Amino acid sequence: TQLLEQSPQFLSIQEGENLTVYCNSSSVFSSLQWYRQEPGEGPVLLVTVVTGGEVKKLKRLTFQFGDARKDSSLHITAAQTGDTGLYLCAGPSGTYKYIFGTGTRLKVLA
Amino acid sequence: GAGVSQTPSNKVTEKGKYVELRCDPISGHTALYWYRQSLGQGPEFLIYFQGTGAADDSGLPNDRFFAVRPEGSVSTLKIQRTERGDSAVYLCASSPPGGDRNEQFFGPGTRLTVL
Repeated sequence: TQLLEQSPQFLSIQEGENLTVYCNSSSVFSSLQWYRQEPGEGPVLLVTVVTGGEVKKLKRLTFQFGDARKDSSLHITAAQTGDTGLYLCAGPSGTYKYIFGTGTRLKVLA
Repeated sequence: GAGVSQTPSNKVTEKGKYVELRCDPISGHTALYWYRQSLGQGPEFLIYFQGTGAADDSGLPNDRFFAVRPEGSVSTLKIQRTERGDSAVYLCASSPPGGDRNEQFFGPGTRLTVL
């Protein structure tokens, strides 16, 4: 059974700080995605990483896919209060099914 | 509307009752997913539709859960004999045709509470 474990579960930081959250598995994934979810809303896709070792940047967010395609990280530079939310990683399991990690709940304090 | 819509936004029911949850995908999206998200957890896959047919229903927890998409657009998730453990947010997502099933657009969810 493929599982995605995310760490840390909770993170509370001051505005302007940097942070990294992790998504790990013992299984190889053909791709991994990162989503952000705010209260009362559905997840919103941030990025998809496909190639082992790939690095993608989205403004202050940097996503990396591990060389072995078993893990991924999300680094946020100079966090802002608007970055607050639940960060989820997800990957395909089989032809159609997707599995999600348990998420990292980030709170950025002003 | 432009996005995926789900109705109702909240549903409170009593144990043993039947409920229906509706999803209106983005117009033209052929793929549709249902997920369940319990408090403090990530979404859990339930079922995937490609057009009218359920291509993968391996995530449905038991035979009390059933979903349909008769015309390849709107989908309804049906739960019979609800149990307190069914309480969760039920999310729907759709994807455009053309192969990139990675791009899922989620609705806001229906919060189901079983008393």
